[in-house]
Amino acid sequence: EPEVTQTPSHQVTQMGQEVILRCVPISNHLYFYWYRQILGQKVEFLVSFYNNEISEKSEIFDDQFSVERPDGSNFTLKIRSTKLEDSAMYFCASSESGGAADTQYFGPGTRLTVL
Amino acid sequence: AQSVTQLGSHVSVSEGALVLLRCNYSSSVPPYLFWYVQYPNQGLQLLLKYTSAATLVKGINGFEAEFKKSETSFHLTKPSAHMSDAAEYFCAVSKDGGFKTIFGAGTRLFVKA
Repeated sequence: EPEVTQTPSHQVTQMGQEVILRCVPISNHLYFYWYRQILGQKVEFLVSFYNNEISEKSEIFDDQFSVERPDGSNFTLKIRSTKLEDSAMYFCASSESGGAADTQYFGPGTRLTVL
Repeated sequence: AQSVTQLGSHVSVSEGALVLLRCNYSSSVPPYLFWYVQYPNQGLQLLLKYTSAATLVKGINGFEAEFKKSETSFHLTKPSAHMSDAAEYFCAVSKDGGFKTIFGAGTRLFVKA
């Protein structure tokens, strides 16, 4: 069964450094998403992406964050100048369509630790 | 604004007992509702979803949930718990016109032998 993959599974970085989290969505899906889960807290929506554009973003997704689909298979989340509070599990998801009823398929997550 | 509230951050049941995980939603428009499960070190897997068709929704692994508009609830049940059901369960909501899914805080299910 097709699945969303994410790399790396765990990323450790120093405060102020830039990190890029990578995701390979399911191949025929057109909509891509990033969510994050700070330890002990809710899973929070960050951004959705379609046709090389951001379709919706949350208030968390400020200028520190950016997303890109650099080629036909990868979808990346870049965090510039990381802060301690960026430590979290980051989940990528994809869906066939962007409908609210459409199932979003999630990857296993990347645990980001900022020291 | 939409939100979901999961009652009980931890639920413990004996193997073979009924599983009941509670979820209440708040939405100004008809919602779409989801239950996801997360096993240790894995991503979120969809168990079932409500999309305004049948109010009783059957999902994978023997789980089902009933949409009750009058109670604004979407509780998850399974008649007989199995050890392999031990995981974290998330209720979530979305609505037409938006792309994001809003998650509850999660309920960790423990299954005792």
